[in-house]
Amino acid sequence: SQQGEEDPQALSIQEGENATMNCSYKTSINNLQWYRQNSGRGLVHLILIRSNEREKHSGRLRVTLDTSKKSSSLLITASRAADTASYFCATDAAYGGSQGNLIFGKGTKLSVKP
Amino acid sequence: NAGVTQTPKFRVLKTGQSMTLLCAQDMNHEYMYWYRQDPGMGLRLIHYSVGEGTTAKGEVPDGYNVSRLKKQNFLLGLESAAPSQTSVYFCASSAGTTHVREQFFGPGTRLTVL
Repeated sequence: SQQGEEDPQALSIQEGENATMNCSYKTSINNLQWYRQNSGRGLVHLILIRSNEREKHSGRLRVTLDTSKKSSSLLITASRAADTASYFCATDAAYGGSQGNLIFGKGTKLSVKP
Repeated sequence: NAGVTQTPKFRVLKTGQSMTLLCAQDMNHEYMYWYRQDPGMGLRLIHYSVGEGTTAKGEVPDGYNVSRLKKQNFLLGLESAAPSQTSVYFCASSAGTTHVREQFFGPGTRLTVL
């Protein structure tokens, strides 16, 4: 079963606007990661936030984590057409002996129109 | 430094045929993973390896076998392909458990089973 679930499934915005994607998960985690996938390509790691962190920044990306609500959000500020991609959250598996495997959500498909 | 590479990029099989997908990484990573990605399903872990000579089952291991004879290579085998195995397959590697580390992904192999 999926640990992380992104919301919305699809998001369409104009260039220059901010894009916010949310991720909810079900069990306790050690960390939460966000990945980007351009069409027809592999996933690229964007940012990792640990369970004891509440906010993290990387360039135009801002990630928040609320462990009490079991949710995270990814904000992309001043979006560009090149940000068009699918975005996935991933959490470490909750089951024992998982060796730190990641469980991915189904992703948010972001379209940024020029 | 090529990162994670996958061979082949595309393949079409007939039901019952066998094939091997090759993943190679040049980052000296201990951990390697095989995922499949289906429309609307996100990524699901098939098998993984925590070091040379070790393998373990992931979420959806049935119908697949793996081997990690060399640290830099991780092979995924389909002994008798079925249409349900039509998917995009991604290999990934990590320096350690995802408790603290990101995963690096290959470009993917698009497999169609007729």
